[in-house]
Parts: sequence; structure tokens; C-alpha cells
Amino acid sequence: DAGVIQSPRHEVTEMGQEVTLRCKPISGHDYLFWYRQTMMRGLELLIYFNNNVPIDDSGMPEDRFSAKMPNASFSTLKIQPSEPRDSAVYFCASSPRGSLTYEQYFGPGTRLTVT
Amino acid sequence: GNSVTQMEGPVTLSEEAFLTINCTYTATGYPSLFWYVQYPGEGLQLLLKATKADDKGSNKGFEATYRKETTSFHLEKGSVQVSDSAVYFCALSAGGTSYGKLTFGQGTILTVHP
Repeated sequence: DAGVIQSPRHEVTEMGQEVTLRCKPISGHDYLFWYRQTMMRGLELLIYFNNNVPIDDSGMPEDRFSAKMPNASFSTLKIQPSEPRDSAVYFCASSPRGSLTYEQYFGPGTRLTVT
Repeated sequence: GNSVTQMEGPVTLSEEAFLTINCTYTATGYPSLFWYVQYPGEGLQLLLKATKADDKGSNKGFEATYRKETTSFHLEKGSVQVSDSAVYFCALSAGGTSYGKLTFGQGTILTVHP
């Protein structure tokens, strides 16, 4: 399996622009997670889905952030408008169907820089 | 709620030294415990796991034992290599309202010098 795929790997944008991050989970996995990692705040869970349905979005920082999962093989995280404080590495992870231990498999991340 | 506490870092060792990174947890019920490793510029990778008390997880020379009596899951390696330099995260998964989620510690930076 190719693992969790994220695109783009790097994104540089100007403040106020819309940013869309993409994720393809591992086939057969039915949980999908979006995380943000910064030096100051560490690793933060933003939102997660089960069977394409958002389960917990309490980590989404504000209304500028939104996430969708239109089908089992694709999810997006959108920031509109972006701000310099959104600069971070964003990770997508997925977890297997029927797993009793919920180990997660992470993608390589998208490094976002907002100037 | 659930929480994971890791020892303060960073940790700096010479090659072939013994490594211990402490991890303690607070959780309801019987969580599963994990160690993840993050190499520079990469995502987190599952290093090892344990699902019940007294289980020992092991991989690539690393070991950790699930100690319910001390609520701990310390990571150890007998002889570290330069290639082990990375950030190590302890994590747990538990049921109830946290169903499906992992709770991570803050991470410990390990640097190994030749």
C-alpha cells in the first residue's frame, strides 16, 4: 500500500488567500484525522472522521478552518482566509477498520507558510 | 480526561549509550499504549505498541512494557545509534468519549552524537 498521501507537500501563500490541503487515506481505513504541528503548541488534533462523518471538530481553531470528507478515499482541510499564525505542518492520519487498538498511520505532512 | 506525560527533553547521548524516555499516563479503563517516532521532515511512524498490562512492545531494538500499577510505558534501547536521532511521542487510545482518538505526549527530542 502507498500509505497516506498528502498534497501539496509545501505551500507558501499570502495572508488572506484560501488554502486547501488534501489527503488520501490508506484503503480500507475508516477513521481519518487532521493534525497541526508547531514548535509552540506541539501536535494538535483538529478534527476526525469515521466513515466520512465528522465525529469531533472541537480542535478546529476557528471558523476560518473547515474540513470535508466527500468519500472514503479523499479529504480536504481548507483555511479561508489564511493568516500568518496558521503557518505549521499539517498532518493527515488514518486508522484501520475494525482495529481494536486504533493505531494511526500518518502521512508525510504539508508544510504551510503564510506570509 | 486522558493525558500522557513524557520526560522533559531534549535528550543528548553518545552512540552506543543506553536510552530511557519516561512516559506516564492517566486514563479511564484499559487503554492501549504506543510509541511513535518522527524523523526530521517526516510524519509520525508507529514504533511499537502494547494493548494490555504487562505486555512488552518491541521494534528495531526499542522496548516498552505496559505497567498498569505505575501507569507507565517507558521507552528503552540498549545501544542507540546516530540514526535514532528523532522526536519520540508516547500516546494512548481509550474508549468512551475518546473512541478512536489518540492522546499524545508533548514529544521528546533525542540527539545521538557519534
